[in-house]
Amino acid sequence: GESVGLHLPTLSVQEGDNSIINCAYSNSASDYFIWYKQESGKGPQFIIDIRSNMDKRQGQRVTVLLNKTVKHLSLQIAATQPGDSAVYFCAETQGGKLIFGQGTELSVKP
Amino acid sequence: EAQVTQNPRYLITVTGKKLTVTCSQNMNHEYMSWYRQDPGLGLRQIYYSMNVEVTDKGDVPEGYKVSRKEKRNFPLILESPSPNQTSLYFCASSFGDRGVLTFGAGSRLTVL
Repeated sequence: GESVGLHLPTLSVQEGDNSIINCAYSNSASDYFIWYKQESGKGPQFIIDIRSNMDKRQGQRVTVLLNKTVKHLSLQIAATQPGDSAVYFCAETQGGKLIFGQGTELSVKP
Repeated sequence: EAQVTQNPRYLITVTGKKLTVTCSQNMNHEYMSWYRQDPGLGLRQIYYSMNVEVTDKGDVPEGYKVSRKEKRNFPLILESPSPNQTSLYFCASSFGDRGVLTFGAGSRLTVL
């Protein structure tokens, strides 16, 4: 069936650098694309979403880009901080269904 | 405090012994859903509910039941648990179905 996947399972960045986490999706009919952050021992936490008719959305220190031509989603984190260390999941909605990608573990080096 | 509350947080049980994991939210959300998280498989949706008395299957509904008799509660029922249902379970809720979910803290279930 359709799936949402990630290009890289792990990402290590220096504190203060920008991080880019990528995601590929396969279903063009998805309504929204969402990024979640999951810290160890906790439930996922919503970061930012983007509607399928948009190509960019900015939040606080985060930007999500959607390229529907190549079915690619990315999360950019500016000035990465140690507190950003976590697993990041992309997800897509299809009606009430929510499909998650496998996750990328972001590690921030001091 | 706005939150999704799951219970129990940890449970060890045996094959075939019926169990229920409760989920309650205090945000008046219409949408609620259950997920299981397994290493290497990520988060997979079990069931979701768009509103009271409305439930639908997610990607992995086999072996599970749900009910939505009240807006705030969405229990997950394992009628006859098996070892392959050993997992970390999350309940979540939101306004609408655009995926802006608030997750519970998780329930770690072990079936022996």
